[in-house]
Amino acid sequence: DAGVIQSPRHEVTEMGQEVTLRCKPISGHDYLFWYRQTMMRGLELLIYFNNNVPIDDSGMPEDRFSAKMPNASFSTLKIQPSEPRDSAVYFCASSPTGSNIQYFGAGTRLSVL
Amino acid sequence: DQQVKQNSPSLSVQEGRISILNCDYTNSMFDYFLWYKKYPAEGPTFLISISSIKDKNEDGRFTVFLNKSAKHLSLHIVPSQPGDSAVYFCAASVPGTALIFGKGTTLSVSS
Repeated sequence: DAGVIQSPRHEVTEMGQEVTLRCKPISGHDYLFWYRQTMMRGLELLIYFNNNVPIDDSGMPEDRFSAKMPNASFSTLKIQPSEPRDSAVYFCASSPTGSNIQYFGAGTRLSVL
Repeated sequence: DQQVKQNSPSLSVQEGRISILNCDYTNSMFDYFLWYKKYPAEGPTFLISISSIKDKNEDGRFTVFLNKSAKHLSLHIVPSQPGDSAVYFCAASVPGTALIFGKGTTLSVSS
């Protein structure tokens, strides 16, 4: 299995632009998680899905952030408009039902100038 | 309000010695605890876990200890190797919810 696949690996954009991060979970995993890692806050959960349905989005910082999971093999995290304080590494993770272990992608390093 | 705390941002150990990484938590409802290892430019990878009904779990050079009364867990690496140099995250979960992570401890093992 290829593991969790995230794209792009690096994204540099200007303030005000729309940014879309993509994630392909491990096949057969029913849970998908989006995290953001910063020096100040560490690894913080943004949102997670179960069977493509958002379960908890309380970690989404504000309305500029949105996430979708149109099918079991694809999810997006969109930031519109982006701001310099959104600069961070964004991770996607997936896990199968009944397991506490989450499997992480390599992350997307976002820089908003 | 951090529910999972790793109070030591960094730890330096010599090769062959024991590395002890610590983690404290506040939520007594946590029922499962995990340690993840992260190398630069990679995602965190699962290392070892422990259920709240146990006090010790061992996997090769890695052992996790859980002290529920103190709300404390620790990861022991014996013997430490240079390849163990990474950031280690402690995480905890309540049934039916996502993991909550500590901020991580950077371990440096010198040869």
